[in-house]
Amino acid sequence: TQLLEQSPQFLSIQEGENLTVYCNSSSVFSSLQWYRQEPGEGPVLLVTVVTGGEVKKLKRLTFQFGDARKDSSLHITAAQPGDTGLYLCALRDSGNTPLVFGKGTRLSVIA
Amino acid sequence: DAGVIQSPRHEVTEMGQEVTLRCKPISGHNSLFWYRQTMMRGLELLIYFNNNVPIDDSGMPEDRFSAKMPNASFSTLKIQPSEPRDSAVYFCASSFATGYTGELFFGEGSRLTVL
Repeated sequence: TQLLEQSPQFLSIQEGENLTVYCNSSSVFSSLQWYRQEPGEGPVLLVTVVTGGEVKKLKRLTFQFGDARKDSSLHITAAQPGDTGLYLCALRDSGNTPLVFGKGTRLSVIA
Repeated sequence: DAGVIQSPRHEVTEMGQEVTLRCKPISGHNSLFWYRQTMMRGLELLIYFNNNVPIDDSGMPEDRFSAKMPNASFSTLKIQPSEPRDSAVYFCASSFATGYTGELFFGEGSRLTVL
C-alpha cells in the first residue's frame, strides 16, 4: 500500500508571498495528479504528470516531479486570496488502479 | 454540461437510522467512485465501479455500508444502521477511464451528520 504524505498540513500566508507544498510517496508511482478543493465543493484537477523530472506551469503555479517518481512539489508565486483552498496530491500505482489521495495542504492567503 | 450530481447536500440523522446517498455521474463516463472525507483521515476511497460493476470494495468500512449501481446513470451508497463515526462528507466522482491519466470529476459532496 502506498503511503502518501503531504506537507505542511496547514499554511497561512500574506497576499503576494511565495510558497511551496510537498507530496511524498513511500514508493514509485505511475502517475500523479494535483487537485484543489474549495470549501463546500469537490476537488478539481489542476495537473497530471507521468514523467519523472517533469515541470509543468499553470499561470502562477509550478509543479515539479522528482526524477525518482516518488515526490512532487507545488510552488505558487505571488499568492492571491483566490488561491485559498485545500491542495491534494493523488497517485496511481498502475494504470488500472484508482487514485489514492494525500490528506492535503490547507492554504489560506490573507489579503 | 451537467457535472456529477449528488443528493442530498446535507443530511442530519440520528444514530441507528438508515442513510441513502445518491449520485448521478457525468453522461458517458464509465467509472464511478465513492470517497469519504474527514479531517482526520482525508479522502478515502470506499468503492469503485467500472461499467456498473463493483471492482473493489475493500475500502468499505464494514457491513453497514453498501453501494449499488443499477445503471450507468445512477448509484447509491447506503449506511444501515448509521453511527456517529460515519459523520463525514461523502463524495461521488466519475471518470472516462483512460488508463493512468484519467481525471476524476467530483460532485459537490453530501455532508452527513449522525447524532
